[in-house]
Amino acid sequence: AQSVSQHNHHVILSEAASLELGCNYSYGGTVNLFWYVQYPGQHLQLLLKYFSGDPLVKGIKGFEAEFIKSKFSFNLRKPSVQWSDTAEYFCAVGSSGTYKYIFGTGTRLKVLA
Amino acid sequence: GAVVSQHPSRVICKSGTSVKIECRSLDFQATTMFWYRQFPKQSLMLMATSNEGSKATYEQGVEKDKFLINHASLTLSTLTVTSAHPEDSSFYICSAPRQGPQETQYFGPGTRLLVL
Repeated sequence: AQSVSQHNHHVILSEAASLELGCNYSYGGTVNLFWYVQYPGQHLQLLLKYFSGDPLVKGIKGFEAEFIKSKFSFNLRKPSVQWSDTAEYFCAVGSSGTYKYIFGTGTRLKVLA
Repeated sequence: GAVVSQHPSRVICKSGTSVKIECRSLDFQATTMFWYRQFPKQSLMLMATSNEGSKATYEQGVEKDKFLINHASLTLSTLTVTSAHPEDSSFYICSAPRQGPQETQYFGPGTRLLVL
């Protein structure tokens, strides 16, 4: 069955700490991978996406993610978080060209000032 | 700025009534839109694909007679929750892909439905 797992449900960090959020997927065929962020009271926004090519993807606001095909993983990283990164982060997987996504359960990140 | 809007943002209704939620793409045309449902502390679950000019396609386990979808134009899809019950209370989110060299999908801000 197709699925996306996010291992960390809640993460609390101090400002300037490094962040890594795990995402593993089970999906047949060629996949497109996404990380979305949802700030309190706002809609989902795309942080970054991977379709093909360089497995290390850089997104907005200093975030990056690495696609490791052998591990079916697409972990999100940021070297130094800020208070404004407090939000919920969703990993999503889609089959190329369908626009239909399967989302992970999300990770609530709280950054302490 | 937002490119997909939803209306209303929040609705409270009595059990047995029907509620209509609108999803609009603001500056592009979308022949396809998607409706998701998000339970508290859970993931977004795809409910259905809204297709302009044809019937919506529903994911397994989603009652099509319960959740009526109409893609009235290239910029508007509506989700009607018919005869709503408390278990239909949830956060409903729509999305619309924007055609281009790489797929880009925009999400609406969501509609919180509370059925009393």
